Amino acid sequence: QVQLVQSGAEVKKPGASVKVSCKASEYTFTSYDIHWVRQATGQGLEWMGWINPNSGHTGYAPTFQGRVTMTRDTSIGTAYMELSSLRSDDTAVYYCAREVDDTAFDYWGQGTLVTVSS
Amino acid sequence: TQLTQSPSSLSASVGDRVTITCRASQGIRSYLAWYQQKPGKAPKVLIYAASTLQSGVPSRFSGSGSGTEFSLIISNLQPEDFATYYCQQLNSYSFGQGTRLEIK
Repeated sequence: QVQLVQSGAEVKKPGASVKVSCKASEYTFTSYDIHWVRQATGQGLEWMGWINPNSGHTGYAPTFQGRVTMTRDTSIGTAYMELSSLRSDDTAVYYCAREVDDTAFDYWGQGTLVTVSS
Repeated sequence: TQLTQSPSSLSASVGDRVTITCRASQGIRSYLAWYQQKPGKAPKVLIYAASTLQSGVPSRFSGSGSGTEFSLIISNLQPEDFATYYCQQLNSYSFGQGTRLEIK
């Protein structure tokens, strides 16, 4: 059974950075792009960017360009999303998801709540 | 490419047939997926490539459209279908703003 398991909830102060992990299992990690999507409480889904675990190539939504960094460690099948210069409006649940061949995100992590508060 | 879903919310009864529409600001061929999300859970893919049913999804869900106009149709609504639905385009990965389906 394919699984994406994310790291636990985080509380950060404004201006700090957060790094969320997403560990893949039961499939070949390097064969599928990993995307990151966030959702503020009561709001819709916001796409943040993607990483190709094989090449390490990334692509970021313009909203996050310069503030987000996506990386991976192929030796442990894990993708990471780091968001810097956190603001209160970055408080949200952050999801990783696997993309299948330009068709859909077929598996999702359980979500990681990041709270930004002074 | 921006996606505009309508309606933003919808009330219906068990057994009803409902249609949710997603309009793209420019043509995206059939690069569109539909998701269902329940409170506190990650989204779940229902339809991909505009009209292909994801494995394991009940056949009462169907999708249609191409280019700029797309629809998600749910026939014979069941209690477990009351949730929020999102469309997503797979060119630049943006999502529609969501449609909340509530019990009448």
